[in-house]
Amino acid sequence: QSALTQEASVSGTVGQKVTLSCTGNNNNIGRYAVGWYQQVSRGAPKAVMFGDFLPSGIPDRFSGSKSGTAASLTISGLQPEDEADYYCSTWDYGLNSRVFGGGTKLTVL
Amino acid sequence: VQLVESGGDLVQPGGSLRLSCAASGFPFNQYYMTWVRQAPGKGLDWVANIAPDGTAARYVGSVKGRFTIFRDNAKNSLYLQMNSLRAEDTAVYYCAKFIRLNNYDYIHVWGTGTKVTVSS
Repeated sequence: QSALTQEASVSGTVGQKVTLSCTGNNNNIGRYAVGWYQQVSRGAPKAVMFGDFLPSGIPDRFSGSKSGTAASLTISGLQPEDEADYYCSTWDYGLNSRVFGGGTKLTVL
Repeated sequence: VQLVESGGDLVQPGGSLRLSCAASGFPFNQYYMTWVRQAPGKGLDWVANIAPDGTAARYVGSVKGRFTIFRDNAKNSLYLQMNSLRAEDTAVYYCAKFIRLNNYDYIHVWGTGTKVTVSS
């Protein structure tokens, strides 16, 4: 069982806004910033958000936020190429380990 | 920035394997590095981190005492020595570099992965 909890699946239509969530506790998200990673068709993961900072080359329809022990990744204006698995990740102080969420499969209808 | 893993193979339970990761395009000796794995059909799992100078390393509990992460900064290379391999170590192993932003560390760039299969 993952230390971070994500929805198993989320879907949306082209142009829609979708939000993916990542829930943790005071040892992980409550203490540290969260990174988000996109994995298309089981290929190499790619960073799409560092906290609320957008990595170079990532479209500005992606945004990130955090409140307490939960983080979220919002995609405004969903595009077909956004269909992928998305993982959140941070450090866990109690586990002394980097942790990942179980991943959310985003389907673009 | 480029990270290229190699060394993945089919190995019997109890066997050993060494993975390598060749880094280029950035000052390798200034960055924390990590190994992350992904079992077939599963999500991402962190394996180990190593400090820029190689003096400090951390491991997930399931690999402690079996795996060793180390680096050769002169060769811009990261390694993962895996001993006493188990079926549950079967996965694609990714090498990745960290970036520090506003005092937080994030996994930044990932390699393409190398496949390890542990089976008799």
